[in-house]
Amino acid sequence: DIQMTQSPSSLSASVGDRVTITCRASQSISSNLNWYQQKPGKAPKLLMYAASSLQSGVPSRFSGSGSGTDFTLTISSLQPEDFATYYCQQSYSTGVTFGGGTKVEIK
Amino acid sequence: EVQLVESGGGLVQPGGSLRLSCAASGFTFSSYEMNWVRQAPGKGLEWVSYISSSGSTIYYADSVKGRFTISRDNAKNSLYLQMNSLRAEDTAVYYCARMVYSKSGKTNYYYMDVWGKGTTVTVSS
Repeated sequence: DIQMTQSPSSLSASVGDRVTITCRASQSISSNLNWYQQKPGKAPKLLMYAASSLQSGVPSRFSGSGSGTDFTLTISSLQPEDFATYYCQQSYSTGVTFGGGTKVEIK
Repeated sequence: EVQLVESGGGLVQPGGSLRLSCAASGFTFSSYEMNWVRQAPGKGLEWVSYISSSGSTIYYADSVKGRFTISRDNAKNSLYLQMNSLRAEDTAVYYCARMVYSKSGKTNYYYMDVWGKGTTVTVSS
């Protein structure tokens, strides 16, 4: 199985901050990497797919980059509604796997 | 409106069975691959099972293989998860999710673009 490791597991940031979350795959997954946002008690929401493609309706302050084993999700200017947990997910192998999540909290 | 609605969760004793359903609406269900994903209390997301649009291809996570069965009824726009021999560690919110892909050159990039709100399964005596 392909293991996905996210860092940090949590972070504290202020509104307006630039936030970067990293995700590392245990083997090369090309650009088969997706990012999801989840708020407490809610279902995950797709943010980015294919490493750097923005899902329709998602604000442009979100961006993704990377290929191979190392990926990043960047929020250029953190907004109050962005406080949530973020998960990366690889879709390179038939059994998709998720990272452990990064909780973004208010400083 | 594109929508997925899960049902069938509840409290069940260890060793028991439960059947989850996912009702799809607002899109041509028979054209889409589907997944079940679960989330244990306070934990991250765990993929459980996948089924192709026709139902001919199925995959399971090792943690549920041999105990869970995914199926679909395209005539009823419904996805199912039959869960047998349930264990305490199966306690989770279970989500159904639609899988789509984006084509770039010769490569298809798969992702889950629509999720249901989830149904809660609690395995406890």
